[in-house]
Amino acid sequence: AQSVTQLDSQVPVFEEAPVELRCNYSSSVSVYLFWYVQYPNQGLQLLLKYLSGSTLVKGINGFEAEFNKSQTSFHLRKPSVHISDTAEYFCAVSATSGTYKYIFGTGTRLKVLA
Amino acid sequence: EPEVTQTPSHQVTQMGQEVILRCVPISNHLYFYWYRQILGQKVEFLVSFYNNEISEKSEIFDDQFSVERPDGSNFTLKIRSTKLEDSAMYFCASRPGSGGQPQHFGDGTRLSIL
Repeated sequence: AQSVTQLDSQVPVFEEAPVELRCNYSSSVSVYLFWYVQYPNQGLQLLLKYLSGSTLVKGINGFEAEFNKSQTSFHLRKPSVHISDTAEYFCAVSATSGTYKYIFGTGTRLKVLA
Repeated sequence: EPEVTQTPSHQVTQMGQEVILRCVPISNHLYFYWYRQILGQKVEFLVSFYNNEISEKSEIFDDQFSVERPDGSNFTLKIRSTKLEDSAMYFCASRPGSGGQPQHFGDGTRLSIL
């Protein structure tokens, strides 16, 4: 079984400042890792994914994440945020076999302040 | 870019009634999922569907729930004898095949039980 912990429920940050949203996971099997963004009244949009290989992955909208196997973490970062980045961010894992269902974290609400 | 389409966007139903939530996955996708998100809580896995049958279901997915892919394009979630606690956002997702290919989500159906 897998579980995902997003340590911060809300993160306020000023525009053009950097941000890191934290995600830790636990699993007894190999996993794939994902970050999704949810804007108000919309579905979940894929930001980036880690499947294998390079531990630093780049996604859309200037986001990147680093997979750290020893710390079982997959933190999301952006060097300079915009007002339009205000949204809910979800970290998810799936096993690398079977049904590939997602286990989500509780989400982090990023609020970018002017 | 192809999208997962969900209808209706909002469904209001009296307690005890049956509801059917509809989804049109991306056409060449093989794996289908339903998730729900109760207001203020995390996104939870309900059921996965592959090769015309349920491949996995969560504890939430009891006899009250059923899924169908009646015509090769639609993917429906039926909830019988709805309860107040069924009020949530329901997301449909699909993915193309095995491996680390990410799931694509619809915009969700907000179900309100009165």
